[in-house]
Amino acid sequence: NAGVTQTPKFQVLKTGQSMTLQCAQDMNHNSMYWYRQDPGMGLRLIYYSASEGTTDKGEVPNGYNVSRLNKREFSLRLESAAPSQTSVYFCASRPSGQAYEQYFGPGTRLTVT
Amino acid sequence: SQQGEEDPQALSIQEGENATMNCSYKTSINNLQWYRQNSGRGLVHLILIRSNEREKHSGRLRVTLDTSKKSSSLLITASRAADTASYFCATDGNQFYFGTGTSLTVIP
Repeated sequence: NAGVTQTPKFQVLKTGQSMTLQCAQDMNHNSMYWYRQDPGMGLRLIYYSASEGTTDKGEVPNGYNVSRLNKREFSLRLESAAPSQTSVYFCASRPSGQAYEQYFGPGTRLTVT
Repeated sequence: SQQGEEDPQALSIQEGENATMNCSYKTSINNLQWYRQNSGRGLVHLILIRSNEREKHSGRLRVTLDTSKKSSSLLITASRAADTASYFCATDGNQFYFGTGTSLTVIP
C-alpha cells in the first residue's frame, strides 16, 4: 500500500495563477483533510471531507476550493494564488468515527511569487 | 486561532535524558493525539489518549491528560539522537486542531 500520496512535491506559481493539488489514499478511509503548515504555526485545517460527496470548511478556507472526486481522491484548488498562500500543504486521511489517527502524505511545498 | 499551544517551543537535551513537552488546549475534546514530524516530512502518529483516560504508555512514550486543566504532556524517556524532530499535539473534538509544536533536539 502506498498510503497517502500527493502531487506535485514542489510548485512555484506567479501571483494570480491557478493550480490543483492532488491527494489520493489507498486505505479505504472515509475522511480526508487538507492542511497548510507555516513556520511556527503548526498545521491549520483548510477543508475536510467526512465522507465521499461531502466537504466542510476548516479554520482557514479562504482562497481555496476542494473536490472529493471519489472515496480515494481529494483535491485542493487555488483559483488565484497569492503570496500569502506560500506554504507546505499536507493531505491526510483516516477512518470514520472517533479515536482514529490521521495518516499524512509527504506534503507539497508551494511558493507563490 | 490555534486550538492547542505547546511549550517549550524548542528543547535541547543530551542523549539518554528524558524530554517533556506540554500541550494546552481551549475547548472540549473526544481525544488528544501526539504526532511527530521529521524535517521536511509528513506527520506520523505516536499515541492517542481518550478524554476519559488520564495516562497512557507506549514504549518510551508516556502521555498524561488533565481535562480539568485542558492540558496534556508527552514524556520521552531515555532519548536518542533519532528522536530529534518536531512534536505536535492534536485535539479531536468538533474539528481536528494541531498545536504549534515543540522542536526537540537530542545531542549525541
